[in-house]
Amino acid sequence: DTEVTQTPKHLVMGMTNKKSLKCEQHMGHRAMYWYKQKAKKPPELMFVYSYEKLSINESVPSRFSPECPNSSLLNLHLHALQPEDSALYLCASSQGSRASGGYNEQFFGPGTRLTVL
Amino acid sequence: AQSVTQLDSQVPVFEEAPVELRCNYSSSVSVYLFWYVQYPNQGLQLLLKYLSGSTLVESINGFEAEFNKSQTSFHLRKPSVHISDTAEYFCAVAYSSASKIIFGSGTRLSIRP
Repeated sequence: DTEVTQTPKHLVMGMTNKKSLKCEQHMGHRAMYWYKQKAKKPPELMFVYSYEKLSINESVPSRFSPECPNSSLLNLHLHALQPEDSALYLCASSQGSRASGGYNEQFFGPGTRLTVL
Repeated sequence: AQSVTQLDSQVPVFEEAPVELRCNYSSSVSVYLFWYVQYPNQGLQLLLKYLSGSTLVESINGFEAEFNKSQTSFHLRKPSVHISDTAEYFCAVAYSSASKIIFGSGTRLSIRP
């Protein structure tokens, strides 16, 4: 299995809602990432988990809360979002920095398109 | 500062014509280079990568890129494009085995019949 899956594909939520995005991989990767991508822009890194521990938080507002319940799963909990948070949210995974050898390339999921009303 | 520059935001090309998408990165001793493709309404797919070894790397669908250390470039080329190549192409770089990927701003390749 060489896929990263993300659910749901589309999500529409109000500013007072609480929702979660889910990401899953079964490649044995130990690093997982959340990116935010606005239209016609490159992905922006939000969070990195390495060996189930949060290793990078790119100064993301607390209304985004990541969670890594195990090595295959990554969640992004959303609460009190703003309309400007509407974007494509991409999950990615890689082998992990402790793996031997050169750079560990990232494999991306198809994304969740989030609309905040 | 570490950066990636894609000078062309859009490249319109006729079908079956050759294309080159340009990418330059800020110089460093070690560098890992990538081209990702994003088809409409989809996530990113790795098209090809340079980690070490041969400076010319190829993808399975006819694209190639050449790592040029002296010019700090990693341009993407295809001798004959198809309508199905219509997509956004992102050049990306990592400066060490543990560093983040830095993405360029992207180039939209549009193919005219």
